[in-house]
Amino acid sequence: GQQVMQIPQYQHVQEGEDFTTYCNSSTTLSNIQWYKQRPGGHPVFLIQLVKSGEVKKQKRLTFQFGEAKKNSSLHITATQTTDVGTYFCAGPLRELVFGKGMKLTVNP
Amino acid sequence: DGGITQSPKYLFRKEGQNVTLSCEQNLNHDAMYWYRQDPGQGLRLIYYSQIVNDFQKGDIAEGYSVSREKKESFPLTVTSAQKNPTAFYLCASSNGQTNSPLHFGNGTRLTVT
Repeated sequence: GQQVMQIPQYQHVQEGEDFTTYCNSSTTLSNIQWYKQRPGGHPVFLIQLVKSGEVKKQKRLTFQFGEAKKNSSLHITATQTTDVGTYFCAGPLRELVFGKGMKLTVNP
Repeated sequence: DGGITQSPKYLFRKEGQNVTLSCEQNLNHDAMYWYRQDPGQGLRLIYYSQIVNDFQKGDIAEGYSVSREKKESFPLTVTSAQKNPTAFYLCASSNGQTNSPLHFGNGTRLTVT
């Protein structure tokens, strides 16, 4: 079936490092959304990308939508302990379909 | 202050019992959703409703039931037919427009023993 896949599922970084996580869809998406779930919390909407090749920034977070609108990336610059959590991408198929998430831990 | 309220935060039940999870929103959103979250499985859609008195099955609806009698409320019943009911359940809502983002409640952690 239609899927949204995230890689890697787990990421452990040293505080201050940069890293990138990826989201891939088996089909072309009209848009992609990113959410963050802090440990013990609930998912919170971060951003939506709609246009092919679109890039949006939120402070140290940079989100990109692929040219073919089948993949997306999230790049975090100078990771901080406040970035800890699970990041989900989600694409509208029949309804919004979430990837399995990328759990980020940060070593201070 | 608008938002989505799920209650209770923690729920314990014995196997074989039905249990109903509450979800209320005052965001005036048309659409409401129930997701189940298991470790390493992401969020899986159980049921959703785009308008009062109407709802559709999601990917894992077996063993669950819902109702949407009021715009503000979308309770989920976990029946005894659900084989693995222990999980974290998240309710969400959106304004129902295409591609609108979801607003999530704080979740209910259900443990069935």
